[in-house]
Amino acid sequence: GIQVEQSPPDLILQEGANSTLRCNFSDSVNNLQWFHQNPWGQLINLFYIPSGTKQNGRLSATTVATERYSLLYISSSQTTDSGVYFCAVEDTGNQFYFGTGTSLTVIP
Amino acid sequence: SAVISQKPSRDICQRGTSLTIQCQVDSQVTMMFWYRQQPGQSLTLIATANQGSEATYESGFVIDKFPISRPNLTFSTLTVSNMSPEDSSIYLCSAGTVLTDTQYFGPGTRLTVL
Repeated sequence: GIQVEQSPPDLILQEGANSTLRCNFSDSVNNLQWFHQNPWGQLINLFYIPSGTKQNGRLSATTVATERYSLLYISSSQTTDSGVYFCAVEDTGNQFYFGTGTSLTVIP
Repeated sequence: SAVISQKPSRDICQRGTSLTIQCQVDSQVTMMFWYRQQPGQSLTLIATANQGSEATYESGFVIDKFPISRPNLTFSTLTVSNMSPEDSSIYLCSAGTVLTDTQYFGPGTRLTVL
């Protein structure tokens, strides 16, 4: 299966700071998604981004499929951004593979 | 960590029939969820599977269409009832313990309805 690595595993930010989360994957993928896990464990979809760049408010994401990585940018972080961020890829056989997540803590 | 298996991994079904998907976790977990990903769309939460009580459904999903069972802390099923081609999707279960802030995911079940 595809190996999905996320970095850093843990991140602590001061409110207002910017951050970049990275997702590396080991093989070609059909799709890539970024999720934010809320305090109840539910996944909230942030971006559906198999390639290119997308922006949504203070968040943006870029996937470079040929180089097998994706980046999630969080600007002007807020305490509500705290939580775990997951990258998930779908291979050509429609199997899902998730990274281990980046645990983000934003302190006031 | 937790290892999650799903059965079946894929199936092709006829319109009007029902399919039950099983999700098995190799350790006891607090939270279990079911998601759906329709072609070309993002993953969407269907419901939270509650152990020993009725599942909690998200807006747009109802128990009659997607009955869920969770008889214990390691097992859950999702049934897709009276299927139509619009139900063709990948169905994914996930599990975890809120305290650990880690969610583990099954490999998904790819359903095609003819």
